[in-house]
Amino acid sequence: DAGVIQSPRHEVTEMGQEVTLRCKPISGHDYLFWYRQTMMRGLELLIYFNNNVPIDDSGMPEDRFSAKMPNASFSTLKIQPSEPRDSAVYFCASSLLSAPQETQYFGPGTRLLVL
Amino acid sequence: KNEVEQSPQNLTAQEGEFITINCSYSVGISALHWLQQHPGGGIVSLFMLSSGKKKHGRLIATINIQEKHSSLHITASHPRDSAVYICARQGGSEKLVFGKGTKLTVNP
Repeated sequence: DAGVIQSPRHEVTEMGQEVTLRCKPISGHDYLFWYRQTMMRGLELLIYFNNNVPIDDSGMPEDRFSAKMPNASFSTLKIQPSEPRDSAVYFCASSLLSAPQETQYFGPGTRLLVL
Repeated sequence: KNEVEQSPQNLTAQEGEFITINCSYSVGISALHWLQQHPGGGIVSLFMLSSGKKKHGRLIATINIQEKHSSLHITASHPRDSAVYICARQGGSEKLVFGKGTKLTVNP
């Protein structure tokens, strides 16, 4: 398996623009997680899905952030409008079955810079 | 206050030394995770444990549920072990709460 795939790997945009990050989880995994990593706050969970249904979005910072999972093999994280403070590395991860028995497999991340 | 505290924040060692990284958490857990983040940014899950000890190669992870404390040990450290090591607690759901990480540098 190719592992968790994220695109783009790098994104530079200007404040106010819409940003869409994409994730393809490992085939057969039924949990998908979106994380954000910054120097100040470290890794934080934004939202996670189980069988394409959002389970916990309490980490989504504000209404500018939205995430969807239209099918088992694809998810998006959208920021509209983007702000400089959104600059971070965004990771997607997937896992199989339920915790705590299964580890999470991380994608390579998308490095976002909002100017 | 972060619910997961790691120490030390930074650690420099000589090749061959025994390394210990500590993680404390403040609430009950269903599992404790250790992850490794390479200098290039990639994150790999090393261990997930809910009791006792787990070993994989030169890495050993232990947990004391009563004391709410876990340790990650690296025996015979090598420069390729240089990375950021992150612990994360997991409660009753799939949600992970992360520590800030320990940056390990192993010099040849």
